[in-house]
Amino acid sequence: EVQLVQSGAEVKKPGESLKISCKGSGYSFTSYWIGWVRQMPGKGLEWMGITYPGDSDTRYSPSFQGQVTISADKSISTAYLQWGSLKASDTAMYYCARLGRSVAGTWGQGTLVTVSS
Amino acid sequence: QLVLTQSPSASASLGASVKLTCTLSSTHTSYTIAWHQQQPEKGPRYMMNVNSDGSHTKGDGIPDRFSGSSSGAERYLTISSLQSEDEADYYCQTWGTGTWVFGGGTKLTVL
Repeated sequence: EVQLVQSGAEVKKPGESLKISCKGSGYSFTSYWIGWVRQMPGKGLEWMGITYPGDSDTRYSPSFQGQVTISADKSISTAYLQWGSLKASDTAMYYCARLGRSVAGTWGQGTLVTVSS
Repeated sequence: QLVLTQSPSASASLGASVKLTCTLSSTHTSYTIAWHQQQPEKGPRYMMNVNSDGSHTKGDGIPDRFSGSSSGAERYLTISSLQSEDEADYYCQTWGTGTWVFGGGTKLTVL
């Protein structure tokens, strides 16, 4: 069974750094793009970026370029989303997902990030 | 620019059928899309991919009541024999060159 399991909820202060994770299992982790998607309270799904663990190729939405860093460690089948300096406006639910044109999609369960002073 | 357009809301009665529409931008009418369901207070769930020829590939455990189809730039998700648990937000999504694109979502109300 293909699974993506995300790290737990985080509560941080503005200006702090954060790295959340997404561990894949049940498939060849290096052969599929993994993406990160933001959902702010009461809003829709926003694509942030994708990474290909096989060669570390990473692409960002223009809306998130420079605001976050996406990476993956193929040795432990884990993708990451990180912030260098959090803002209150980063408060949201973050999902990782494996979505492909010719493969059934899989979503992680989500990680809630709350940024508050 | 690759854009997906969805109606913000739809409604249908319990036991009836409903057809949700996702429209691709005019220069991307051959693209495959995916449908995702998000029930209240839950994460998204992959439903199916729908190709330009109307063929679709469902996720594990998706009931037969859910089906996909296509016509031109439009991709559809049809839900028959509506149940209360089908009340959810439905998002379509596609793939550009190095990008993913989501539609704005359709909120389905089961009356």
